[in-house]
Amino acid sequence: NAGVMQNPRHLVRRRGQEARLRCSPMKGHSHVYWYRQLPEEGLKFMVYLQKENIIDESGMPKERFSAEFPKEGPSILRIQQVVRGDSAAYFCASSPWGKTEAFFGQGTRLTVV
Amino acid sequence: AQTVTQSQPEMSVQEAETVTLSCTYDTSESDYYLFWYKQPPSRQMILVIRQEAYKQQNATENRFSVNFQKAAKSFSLKISDSQLGDAAMYFCAYRSDGIQGAQKLVFGQGTRLTINP
Repeated sequence: NAGVMQNPRHLVRRRGQEARLRCSPMKGHSHVYWYRQLPEEGLKFMVYLQKENIIDESGMPKERFSAEFPKEGPSILRIQQVVRGDSAAYFCASSPWGKTEAFFGQGTRLTVV
Repeated sequence: AQTVTQSQPEMSVQEAETVTLSCTYDTSESDYYLFWYKQPPSRQMILVIRQEAYKQQNATENRFSVNFQKAAKSFSLKISDSQLGDAAMYFCAYRSDGIQGAQKLVFGQGTRLTINP
């Protein structure tokens, strides 16, 4: 059973471009979480999704950021018109229903130049 | 809102010695989970140990154990017989038990652990 897969591992974008980060959860996991880690800081919750539903987006910036988890395919975190402050590592985690732990991917490091 | 505080930005220990990493948290809930995650330079988040708040017994996993003090809202991690491979950032995390199936974690800022050979 493959782990949580995130791609790309590294992404470089110029200011104003769009960034798309992908997360394929572990097989059988229906819950996906996105976290952001700024340099030298802990992870900060962004959004919690189930298939085709956003359950909790209390940590998402109000503008430019969106997330989806379609019925088929990976979860996507989309950042429009990126700015330097968006440079961070973005982690995805997945879990099955009712279990205690979430399993993390290796993260995508976004660099905005 | 819940908060997690790790007051030690950096710690170091001699190989084979014991080290304790501190974590305190703030919550008004009675049911929750606490975790320690390890993040090596590869950036992978690795679960080290987990504690359910309703359990009085401290969790242990091989060389890793916790000291869970619910009244004091303290959750420290003890690493015994430290090994070079233990060098990493360590994050304490809190998870509410409120929403069924939810794994929303609140993380501390981390402690960077260095192992001296």
